[in-house]
Amino acid sequence: GNSVTQMEGPVTLSEEAFLTINCTYTATGYPSLFWYVQYPGEGLQLLLKATKADDKGSNKGFEATYRKETTSFHLEKGSVQVSDSAVYFCALKSSGNTGKLIFGQGTTLQVKP
Amino acid sequence: EADIYQTPRYLVIGTGKKITLECSQTMGHDKMYWYQQDPGMELHLIHYSYGVNSTEKGDLSSESTVSRIRTEHFPLTLESARPSHTSQYLCASTLAASTDTQYFGPGTRLTVL
Repeated sequence: GNSVTQMEGPVTLSEEAFLTINCTYTATGYPSLFWYVQYPGEGLQLLLKATKADDKGSNKGFEATYRKETTSFHLEKGSVQVSDSAVYFCALKSSGNTGKLIFGQGTTLQVKP
Repeated sequence: EADIYQTPRYLVIGTGKKITLECSQTMGHDKMYWYQQDPGMELHLIHYSYGVNSTEKGDLSSESTVSRIRTEHFPLTLESARPSHTSQYLCASTLAASTDTQYFGPGTRLTVL
């Protein structure tokens, strides 16, 4: 079945450090891939998405490239800020009709000044 | 910004009480979802709906029930709350296409004493 695996957290970085959060997936067909972010006490917000192989999603300085050959969608940011502290979820949506999202387990990022 | 609303945001209730968590969206989305988020942050789909009068069980078994009488409204009900139901409940919606983004509400944090 479909599944998503994220690197375990928590990840603790200093401000302006480089961020990578690894995400790999298992899926049949051609899924769409997403990164969502959850700030404390809030719901999930879409950070970026990619719908086909080699697409790059980007938003707010974050990037992720859909790599079909390695079944990966790693999240990167060149210089993190304290305000980026949150939980990040990688997710896939299968190409079927249900529209259901399969989430990874989430990675907590803490950025220290 | 997504127009999806959940009430209440926080609820503390005693064992055995009946509760209904409200979810509404004003985007005209056909598909709606309920997720349960455990303290370890993982999200699990518990119910979804393709449209009016359509409801399906999700991947995680839940004692809750849902209804979809109107497109914009997707309430979740627990007939008799128990401490094991303590969790964060997130509602989401999306348009019909498989590549469309799923938008999330702010969540309801339920505590059953």
